[in-house]
Amino acid sequence: DIVMTQSPDSLAVSLGERATVNCKSSQSVLNNSNNKNYLAWYQQKPGQPPKLLVYWASTRESGVPDRFSGSGSGTDFILTISSLQAEDVAVYYCQQHYDIPYTFGQGTKLEIK
Amino acid sequence: QVQLQQSGPGLVKPSQTLSLTCAISGDSVSSDNAAWNWIRQSPSRGLEWLGRTYYRSKWGNDYAPSVKSRITIKPDTSKNQFSLQLNSVTPEDTAVYYCARYCSGGRCGMDVWGQGITVTVSS
Repeated sequence: DIVMTQSPDSLAVSLGERATVNCKSSQSVLNNSNNKNYLAWYQQKPGQPPKLLVYWASTRESGVPDRFSGSGSGTDFILTISSLQAEDVAVYYCQQHYDIPYTFGQGTKLEIK
Repeated sequence: QVQLQQSGPGLVKPSQTLSLTCAISGDSVSSDNAAWNWIRQSPSRGLEWLGRTYYRSKWGNDYAPSVKSRITIKPDTSKNQFSLQLNSVTPEDTAVYYCARYCSGGRCGMDVWGQGITVTVSS
């Protein structure tokens, strides 16, 4: 199985400041045939299912605010929130869908400082 | 607007079978550019992908090795839904179970989720 490791486990950021979540995969999730990274990011709030934010590592899902951005390739990925808003308090997960079984990171809990 | 509506019991006895259903509206279980997944979440195991069913000229399935000997995911085209059966459950199978659509129209992530059902395995 591909192991997904996120850092940090928790993060406290002031409103309006930048938040950065890291995700590392135990092997590359880049498909060289189509040059796509099979990596997605999700946001989960209490009592709700995860919500897709970013797919193909850097493509923002429709309706997701442009303060959310994804970057990275191969084994190292980053989710950035450029200016933290109160409604961004949540747990964030990365997920690889390069290989079966699909696997998720352990989650990063984002709070307001 | 695509929606997934989950149903099934919230309590299952040890050694019995967990059965859940996910009804699809706004899309088709027979879509040839999506896959239909089951995922569970528990404090001890986090988010765990269990398996999927999909149609690409014929029906196919993939399952997580951790549950492969106990799981069946089946489409029901007459009702436009898909189901999860997990046999021989133990308390370790206690979790919130979600269904989700994957990779529709080239947007490859789990873009639509069911509401989640909390399943407790206990006598």
